[in-house]
Amino acid sequence: DQQVKQNSPSLSVQEGRISILNCDYTNSMFDYFLWYKKYPAEGPTFLISISSIKDKNEDGRFTVFLNKSAKHLSLHIVPSQPGDSAVYFCAARSLTGGGNKLTFGTGTQLKVEL
Amino acid sequence: NAGVTQTPKFRVLKTGQSMTLLCAQDMNHEYMYWYRQDPGMGLRLIHYSVGEGTTAKGEVPDGYNVSRLKKQNFLLGLESAAPSQTSVYFCASRKTGGGNEQFFGPGTRLTVL
Repeated sequence: DQQVKQNSPSLSVQEGRISILNCDYTNSMFDYFLWYKKYPAEGPTFLISISSIKDKNEDGRFTVFLNKSAKHLSLHIVPSQPGDSAVYFCAARSLTGGGNKLTFGTGTQLKVEL
Repeated sequence: NAGVTQTPKFRVLKTGQSMTLLCAQDMNHEYMYWYRQDPGMGLRLIHYSVGEGTTAKGEVPDGYNVSRLKKQNFLLGLESAAPSQTSVYFCASRKTGGGNEQFFGPGTRLTVL
């Protein structure tokens, strides 16, 4: 059962416009959420995160919004740039179990077009 | 700092062969993780370690073994490779306390024929 879902496998946006990537989760024990970005033939790199006690976190062009009641988070990129073209993974950490394990979504391929 | 490194970058095995993937980190991180990434599946946790000498099973541990004899190294072993283990393998590490982000290596692409 997929506890973290990214229902859009791909997204295409024009340069300068806003990119919105969505993520839904089912486990109410998740307390921390992260977004990772991955270029081809490279490992994922951390982008931005948010604790479950907040509803928004902003870092430059990147903002993550968390709606706990809907079990939904989104990543906004404004303005989008061609270098943002990559696969974006949503991840969540559960309060239960040890090891600070993360559960990842299946990823969304973002393409920013000129 | 090299961060997290993985050896080898690519490998082709025949069914039944064995191999070991090496992960090394120079950030003095306590936690280390092995994931596999398959198309449409995201990253799935194979095994992890919360410190030197400790290991634990993740979501998809079958067919793999791990060892953490030194804090900076985390080894992933395949005793008898199967075509279903064809995947890209990522190692990650995380420090104790602070942020919850994990730092990933560049990956190893493994093909089992």
